[in-house]
Amino acid sequence: DAGVTQSPTHLIKTRGQQVTLRCSPKSGHDTVSWYQQALGQGPQFIFQYYEEEERQRGNFPDRFSGHQFPNYSSELNVNALLLGDSALYLCASSLESRNTGELFFGEGSRLTVL
Amino acid sequence: GQQVMQIPQYQHVQEGEDFTTYCNSSTTLSNIQWYKQRPGGHPVFLIQLVKSGEVKKQKRLTFQFGEAKKNSSLHITATQTTDVGTYFCAGRRGYSTLTFGKGTMLLVSP
Repeated sequence: DAGVTQSPTHLIKTRGQQVTLRCSPKSGHDTVSWYQQALGQGPQFIFQYYEEEERQRGNFPDRFSGHQFPNYSSELNVNALLLGDSALYLCASSLESRNTGELFFGEGSRLTVL
Repeated sequence: GQQVMQIPQYQHVQEGEDFTTYCNSSTTLSNIQWYKQRPGGHPVFLIQLVKSGEVKKQKRLTFQFGEAKKNSSLHITATQTTDVGTYFCAGRRGYSTLTFGKGTMLLVSP
C-alpha cells in the first residue's frame, strides 16, 4: 500500500519563474493538504482540497494555487517565484471530510529559488 | 488567528535523561496532535488527544492534554539516540485544519 508520494523531490528555480509540484495521496484517502516548511520552522498550512475544490486556505498570496483531480491527486502551483518561497513543500493526505484525523505526509518537494 | 507555541526550541540531553516539550495555544482546541520529524525527513503522526485532561502513553512517551484544552506536553522517559528529531504539536479548532507549532528539536548524545 503506497503512502503519499510527491514529485519532484528537489528542484531549483529562479526568481519570477513558475513551479508545479505534484502529490498522490495515500490509497483510499480523499483529502489533500499542502504545507510549506521553511528551514527550522513548523509546517505552515497553504490550502486543502476535497472533492476537487479548495476547502480551506491559509495565509498565502494568490500566487499559490492548486488543483485536485478526480483520482484525488493534487498539484500545487506557485507563480512569480520569490526568494522567500524557498522551502520544503509537504503534501499530506487524510481520509475524512471533517478534519478530525491524522495527516499522512509525503517526503516533500524541496524548492530552491535563486 | 490561532497560534500554537512550543518550548523549548531546542534541547540537548544525554542518553538516558528525560525530555519534555510544552505546547500552548492561544485558543481552546478541539484536539491536539503530535508529530515527529527526523532530520531530513517528513512529519510522522504520533498521537491525537481529544479530551480535557487526557493522558496517553506510548512506551516511553507520555502525552497530556490540559484541562482547559489549550496546552499539551510530551514527555520522553530515558531518552535514546533513536528519539532524535523535531517534535511538533499541532492544534485544531472545530473542523479547521491543523496549526503547527515551530517544534522542539531534540538531540541525544550517547
